[in-house]
Amino acid sequence: DAGVIQSPRHEVTEMGQEVTLRCKPISGHNSLFWYRQTMMRGLELLIYFNNNVPIDDSGMPEDRFSAKMPNASFSTLKIQPSEPRDSAVYFCASSFSGKEETQYFGPGTRLLVL
Amino acid sequence: GNSVTQMEGPVTLSEEAFLTINCTYTATGYPSLFWYVQYPGEGLQLLLKATKADDKGSNKGFEATYRKETTSFHLEKGSVQVSDSAVYFCAIDNNDMRFGAGTRLTVKP
Repeated sequence: DAGVIQSPRHEVTEMGQEVTLRCKPISGHNSLFWYRQTMMRGLELLIYFNNNVPIDDSGMPEDRFSAKMPNASFSTLKIQPSEPRDSAVYFCASSFSGKEETQYFGPGTRLLVL
Repeated sequence: GNSVTQMEGPVTLSEEAFLTINCTYTATGYPSLFWYVQYPGEGLQLLLKATKADDKGSNKGFEATYRKETTSFHLEKGSVQVSDSAVYFCAIDNNDMRFGAGTRLTVKP
């Protein structure tokens, strides 16, 4: 298995633009997680899906952020409109079932909003 | 709410030195505790975990013991290698996952 796949690896955009980050979890994994890593706040869990259903989105910073998981092999994290303070590395992770199982992380998407 | 405080970095050690990265937490109930590692250019990987008091997680020569009396989960390794250079994150999960800020470790030959 190729592991968790994220795209793009790097994204530079201007303030106000829409940004879409993509994730393909490991095949057979039922849980998917989106994290954000910043120097100020470290690593934060944004949202967690189980069987394609959002279980906990309490970490989503505000309405500008939305995440979807239309099927078991694909998820998106969208920011609209983007702001400079959204600049961070966004990680996607998947696990076989739930948060207690080992989470396997993707390489991350480095986002810079100018 | 839950919170995690871990030792600020960066930490620089010589090869074969002893490593300790401190981690303390604040949480209600009995959280599960984790150490994650991020090697240069890679995503996060689970290094070890402990789910109840006095449990010891271990992997790749690293160890951490769940100490409820001191609310700590310090990461230790007896003899570090250059390949251990990475950023280490302490995390807790009590249905409210929280991560520490990360500690960058550099091991020099």
